[in-house]
Amino acid sequence: AQRVTQPEKLLSVFKGAPVELKCNYSYSGSPELFWYVQYSRQRLQLLLRHISRESIKGFTADLNKGETSFHLKKPFAQEEDSAMYYCALNGGAGSYQLTFGKGTKLSVIP
Amino acid sequence: KAGVTQTPRYLIKTRGQQVTLSCSPISGHRSVSWYQQTPGQGLQFLFEYFSETQRNKGNFPGRFSGRQFSNSRSEMNVSTLELGDSALYLCASRPGQSSGNTIYFGEGSWLTVV
Repeated sequence: AQRVTQPEKLLSVFKGAPVELKCNYSYSGSPELFWYVQYSRQRLQLLLRHISRESIKGFTADLNKGETSFHLKKPFAQEEDSAMYYCALNGGAGSYQLTFGKGTKLSVIP
Repeated sequence: KAGVTQTPRYLIKTRGQQVTLSCSPISGHRSVSWYQQTPGQGLQFLFEYFSETQRNKGNFPGRFSGRQFSNSRSEMNVSTLELGDSALYLCASRPGQSSGNTIYFGEGSWLTVV
């Protein structure tokens, strides 16, 4: 069975401080991992995916297969980063069956 | 391009009733999936449709069903509603079946069962 764990429900950091949102997964095959973000009163949207290895809005995430982790990082938090962040795993071959973590609410204190 | 559109946005139903939710995907997108979001269970996959065929189904009882039409629009139905079915139901679409496709979510339909 596939599972995604985000251990922190709420993370508060000061503006300019580094941010790390933790995500651990359990999956027997080769996972496809994502971070989704939901800003206040907006729809859920893709932030980044491990395959593309890109940096979006200053955020990066590295897939660590040994530790089965896909932590989201940003060196300097901005107030506009305050949002709900969800880690998700796609394990369905040929299908897009996302398994989501429970989410972490990031609050950036000015 | 218009985003994924879901109707109705809010609705209240009584236990035992049934409900139908509608989803219009982004133009050109042929794959539609549905998710249920609750405070306790978070986001859970319901099912995915592609070319009018259900491709995958999550771990939900048979009361939850769906379908997709030839124009890629999709509906989901919940029969014999229970209080625990109160949730935000999200629809998402993507262009095709490639795992490289990004999925785009709608704003959701808020269902309250009383």
